[in-house]
Amino acid sequence: AQSVTQPDIHITVSEGASLELRCNYSYGATPYLFWYVQSPGQGLQLLLKYFSGDTLVQGIKGFEAEFKRSQSSFNLRKPSVHWSDAAEYFCAVGGKEYGNKLVFGAGTILRVKS
Amino acid sequence: NAGVTQTPKFQVLKTGQSMTLQCAQDMNHNSMYWYRQDPGMGLRLIYYSASEGTTDKGEVPNGYNVSRLNKREFSLRLESAAPSQTSVYFCASSGGQLGTGELFFGEGSRLTVL
Repeated sequence: AQSVTQPDIHITVSEGASLELRCNYSYGATPYLFWYVQSPGQGLQLLLKYFSGDTLVQGIKGFEAEFKRSQSSFNLRKPSVHWSDAAEYFCAVGGKEYGNKLVFGAGTILRVKS
Repeated sequence: NAGVTQTPKFQVLKTGQSMTLQCAQDMNHNSMYWYRQDPGMGLRLIYYSASEGTTDKGEVPNGYNVSRLNKREFSLRLESAAPSQTSVYFCASSGGQLGTGELFFGEGSRLTVL
């Protein structure tokens, strides 16, 4: 069974528009949740993470994500997208319930149109 | 500020040939990982090392071997390459507990097996 689901393979938004990328995880009472971004030809870079506490977390480059335990979701948002945000975004979950390893979703490719 | 360094960046092999991907980190991290990235499948863990002297299988270990040479270096070896091993390989390291800390990635090694 897939542990981390990113339902959207591709998303296209206009520059300046808002963005939401979806992520759902299969199980875990206390998951460690991450969003990474990958620019073409590059490795992955951490955008933000959630371990505990405030369920709305702020990250780099103006991104934020909200943890909703009832929905097993950790969606990534940005109020106004810039052309430089075009990249592939990966949600990941870890912690004891995942064998203390990080499991990645399949990724969402973001295209930004001007 | 090197971080995680992988070599080579590109390699073409013939079926049955062997090769080793090298990885080194200069952040004094205990944990190191090898992932492969294939389109639509996200990142899948091949092997990991929680500390110097230990290695464990991940999700897709078949056809690979690893060596944690010292705290800095973690190599991945393909003994007899197969076309199914055509992929982009990423090395990562983490200073946190397994599955809970931020991963720092190298830039990737693109391997083609003919």
